Amino acid sequence: EAGVTQSPTHLIKTRGQQATLRCSPISGHTSVYWYQQALGLGLQFLLWYDEGEERNRGNFPPRFSGRQFPNYSSELNVNALELEDSALYLCASTLWTQYFGPGTRLLVL
Amino acid sequence: AQSVSQHNHHVILSEAASLELGCNYSYGGTVNLFWYVQYPGQHLQLLLKYFSGDPLVKGIKGFEAEFIKSKFSFNLRKPSVQWSDTAEYFCAVKAAGNKLTFGGGTRVLVKP
Repeated sequence: EAGVTQSPTHLIKTRGQQATLRCSPISGHTSVYWYQQALGLGLQFLLWYDEGEERNRGNFPPRFSGRQFPNYSSELNVNALELEDSALYLCASTLWTQYFGPGTRLLVL
Repeated sequence: AQSVSQHNHHVILSEAASLELGCNYSYGGTVNLFWYVQYPGQHLQLLLKYFSGDPLVKGIKGFEAEFIKSKFSFNLRKPSVQWSDTAEYFCAVKAAGNKLTFGGGTRVLVKP
């Protein structure tokens, strides 16, 4: 069974640009979670999508947004990138237990 | 708001030594508890989980954890570590809102 996949693996952007990160959940999982793993800040919850709807949101500004598609895959969009957005962004899919993808490492220059 | 504390940020030990990593959470209601591991260069993997029932939970690779409700703790243990257990370990709690709240992680280095 394929696990959670994320693309791209690495992304380099400059300040002010927009980044789009993608996640495909495990087959049969309808919920997708996004987390940010920034140096020194640990793993922080960003967004939760279930059945195409945003269900919960972490303590992040509105320029972090996303969506979930009918096939349950998800996109995370980060607008107006700032240097401190540099981090590993993890996607997890779940029925009861969250299983994580390999992440997208975003570097903002 | 719920929070999770992992008391040790770094642990260094020799092969065959016993390992115990502490995890405490603050939330008064029903919780689901998890330990995840992140090996160097790899993604987060589930080690074990507790939803209900026997508070002593056995996971993969010889790890176990004990849920002590009165102490709000979910400590991870392994009787005899191997060099391959070198990794970062994260405790996580799922309570209200379905999101996972993670501890800050503990980096474990096992010397061969």
